[in-house]
Amino acid sequence: SQTIHQWPATLVQPVGSPLSLECTVEGTSNPNLYWYRQAAGRGLQLLFYSVGIGQISSEVPQNLSASRPQDRQFILSSKKLLLSDSGFYLCAWSVLGNPYNEQFFGPGTRLTVL
Amino acid sequence: GQQVMQIPQYQHVQEGEDFTTYCNSSTTLSNIQWYKQRPGGHPVFLIQLVKSGEVKKQKRLTFQFGEAKKNSSLHITATQTTDVGTYFCAGPGSGGSYIPTFGRGTSLIVHP
Repeated sequence: SQTIHQWPATLVQPVGSPLSLECTVEGTSNPNLYWYRQAAGRGLQLLFYSVGIGQISSEVPQNLSASRPQDRQFILSSKKLLLSDSGFYLCAWSVLGNPYNEQFFGPGTRLTVL
Repeated sequence: GQQVMQIPQYQHVQEGEDFTTYCNSSTTLSNIQWYKQRPGGHPVFLIQLVKSGEVKKQKRLTFQFGEAKKNSSLHITATQTTDVGTYFCAGPGSGGSYIPTFGRGTSLIVHP
């Protein structure tokens, strides 16, 4: 069966510090991968998605970046965090080529920027 | 871009009462998905509707897709405290994008 891992589960970082969040998927090949952010009590904002290694599409301009160094690994990064970067970061995968594309989410990373 | 509007934003019910959340779009949707997010948890895929007028049931949950494929609803009969959470609908992205566009969600609070 497929599983998706994210770490760390929680993170407290000072403003201006760098960020690296990692997501890995097991049990499937060539998945579509996504990064979402969810502010407290809010909906899901798509940040990045990837259909393959090295292929990243950005949905929202910001100080975040994403990379996909391996087929089942997706990394979210920042060089300098802002207060507004606080939130719940969710990685998700879906089956490549599935026209309806249901999303399977990881457990998330709760980031607090102070 | 294509958007799905979800109402209400919050709903308080007494345990045992019914609950309904609605998802509306100004354009025809090829499909609609529903997810549930428990407090502190991550969204979990519940179901997908594809056909006009489709109705699917999962125990006390009933999902409907409108005849015009522009709206959908999730109805919970006799709510329980385990139903607490935020329910999201998601439609297809704009311009034929395969990436789902999520509604803002309806948070259900069940009072025992």
